[in-house]
Amino acid sequence: QSVLTQPPSVSGAPGQRVTISCTGSSSNIGAGYDVHWYQQFPGTAPRLLIYGNDNRPSGVPDRFSGSKSGTSASLAITGLQAEDEADYYCQSYDSSVSGVFGTGTKVTVL
Amino acid sequence: EVQLVETGGGLIQPGGSLRLSCAASRFTVSSSYMTWVRQAPEKGLEWVSIIYSAGHTYYADSVKGRFTISRDISKNTLYLEMNSLRAEDTAVYYCARLRFSDWLHDSWGQGTLVTVSS
Repeated sequence: QSVLTQPPSVSGAPGQRVTISCTGSSSNIGAGYDVHWYQQFPGTAPRLLIYGNDNRPSGVPDRFSGSKSGTSASLAITGLQAEDEADYYCQSYDSSVSGVFGTGTKVTVL
Repeated sequence: EVQLVETGGGLIQPGGSLRLSCAASRFTVSSSYMTWVRQAPEKGLEWVSIIYSAGHTYYADSVKGRFTISRDISKNTLYLEMNSLRAEDTAVYYCARLRFSDWLHDSWGQGTLVTVSS
């Protein structure tokens, strides 16, 4: 039922830069609604990583950054670290179905 | 710091009913927008329901007519009444506070597991 599409997995070596895309449509991201990103470790609740497209809550390292353009958004992790291995979800609002989450992306640190 | 604690999960047979609770601390549930989000085993996050501060309620199509979101002002607690449960409702259920201006889930509970199985 997810209307926001993410790649199932991305991987990179420590220190590398990885990006995760979040592709939506004209009823959600393309309509101007904000995109937020959450990080989730196994067995734990999601943790807010990026809000309002490109803002970091206090305590989130600056190696995480977000952007949005058109009907898509992206999360970038620069200087990848072993502790960044987790699942990542984008989230926005959709005028047809209300709250929508992305399909999720598993980040693996090689 | 805002705190949300879910309880009420467990093993239930198909067709059965269950009520989840979400006790809130350090903010007022009735003045907030509150949601339920679920996550099936090894699957992604799925938005389930929302209750507005004014009391309006909305549901995902997958649970409409079977689930009811509500709140108790005196107990500062959010609820999710789940009826006619199906195997596909098996999931960890999270309650979350929503910042309505940008649909940001800014605080989450730890989740409670609901398993629907005979």
